[in-house]
Amino acid sequence: GAGVSQSPSNKVTEKGKDVELRCDPISGHTALYWYRQSLGQGLEFLIYFQGNSAPDKSGLPSDRFSAERTGGSVSTLTIQRTQQEDSAVYLCASSSLIRTSGSPRNEQFFGPGTRLTVL
Amino acid sequence: AQSVSQHNHHVILSEAASLELGCNYSYGGTVNLFWYVQYPGQHLQLLLKYFSGDPLVKGIKGFEAEFIKSKFSFNLRKPSVQWSDTAEYFCAVKHPSGGSYIPTFGRGTSLIVHP
Repeated sequence: GAGVSQSPSNKVTEKGKDVELRCDPISGHTALYWYRQSLGQGLEFLIYFQGNSAPDKSGLPSDRFSAERTGGSVSTLTIQRTQQEDSAVYLCASSSLIRTSGSPRNEQFFGPGTRLTVL
Repeated sequence: AQSVSQHNHHVILSEAASLELGCNYSYGGTVNLFWYVQYPGQHLQLLLKYFSGDPLVKGIKGFEAEFIKSKFSFNLRKPSVQWSDTAEYFCAVKHPSGGSYIPTFGRGTSLIVHP
């Protein structure tokens, strides 16, 4: 497909279980972002990948959250020992870098999200 | 740190009314500015963007936004809304001079247009 895809689209889990969310970015996009969207809270940045490395993971809320990216493509976000406050929509976005004279430009393309519900 | 304020959290309009959604940001340097829209049940998509040049930016579906540097604002406008414009609207700001590739998003404005 041409867009960013995420799976699963919905995930219901019990408190204390681990979950893994997947993101397939647009082919050729080197940058990948994870966000969390809670009701009325806008988009909360979690982590950013450039290639396979994560130069900015400042948004991860706790050490229960981790993410990796392999082959410069697919990324997985793992939440261990889920808590009820982890319930949210997890969004993935990708972008390619378009450089002009010194100013990197990137337009993000978003996936449909994974709705996580922790019971 | 950059912050983005969207003053209107909920807006309700009738069809054909004019729309203006506010967006203000805190950082005073070079900025890249975006408006995204999320229609019910759909994913976020870009409405319009500003990087440089003409501060009045035209986007899809008749939307436009004006970058006013002195006011740190990038308000979204549409002269005549339609029922199909019902959606959540997000403003985002990035300041590339800091080497950051990560936009900061506002909390969003929920727009409901009554037919």
